Amino acid sequence: AQSVTQLDSQVPVFEEAPVELRCNYSSSVSVYLFWYVQYPNQGLQLLLKYLSGSTLVESINGFEAEFNKSQTSFHLRKPSVHISDTAEYFCAVSARGATNKLIFGTGTLLAVQP
Amino acid sequence: NAGVTQTPKFQVLKTGQSMTLQCAQDMNHEYMSWYRQDPGMGLRLIHYSVGAGITDQGEVPNGYNVSRSTTEDFPLRLLSAAPSQTSVYFCASSYSGVGARNTEAFFGQGTRLTVV
Repeated sequence: AQSVTQLDSQVPVFEEAPVELRCNYSSSVSVYLFWYVQYPNQGLQLLLKYLSGSTLVESINGFEAEFNKSQTSFHLRKPSVHISDTAEYFCAVSARGATNKLIFGTGTLLAVQP
Repeated sequence: NAGVTQTPKFQVLKTGQSMTLQCAQDMNHEYMSWYRQDPGMGLRLIHYSVGAGITDQGEVPNGYNVSRSTTEDFPLRLLSAAPSQTSVYFCASSYSGVGARNTEAFFGQGTRLTVV
């Protein structure tokens, strides 16, 4: 079975500051890793994913995440945040070679302040 | 492009009532699933389906039924609503198959359910 831990329930940050949202996972098999974003009163949207290959993956809006197998982590980073990045961010994992069952973390609310 | 459509968007039920949350997708995805989202608990998987006629339980299936008679539709039924089922419900779909690389899940806009 897989599990995901997001230790920070809320991360306040000032606009244009860097941010890191932490995600650790547990699994006995190889996994795919995802970050989803949920803007207020909306569904979830895929932000970025790690399937294989380069351990550093990027999104179109400046976020990046690095897969670290030894530390079982997939932290999300952005060098300079905007007010519009305010949202809840969910880390998720699914087992390779199995069904598409996604296991989500509890989410981190990124609150960007002016 | 409709994507994943959920109806209704909001619903208030009395304890003991039954209802069906509708979910439809037009992307020909084999895999569909239902989640509930509660504060501080993230999204928890209720039921999922890997194709028409095939369903299975997730983490929190009690009190919910599903069926999958077509590829497009995956309704979630509450048999006898309880206040503990007050939540936001999300339906999601994706391509499926062992080793599938396009494993992005597409989510509906959610149904906010209140049981009084």
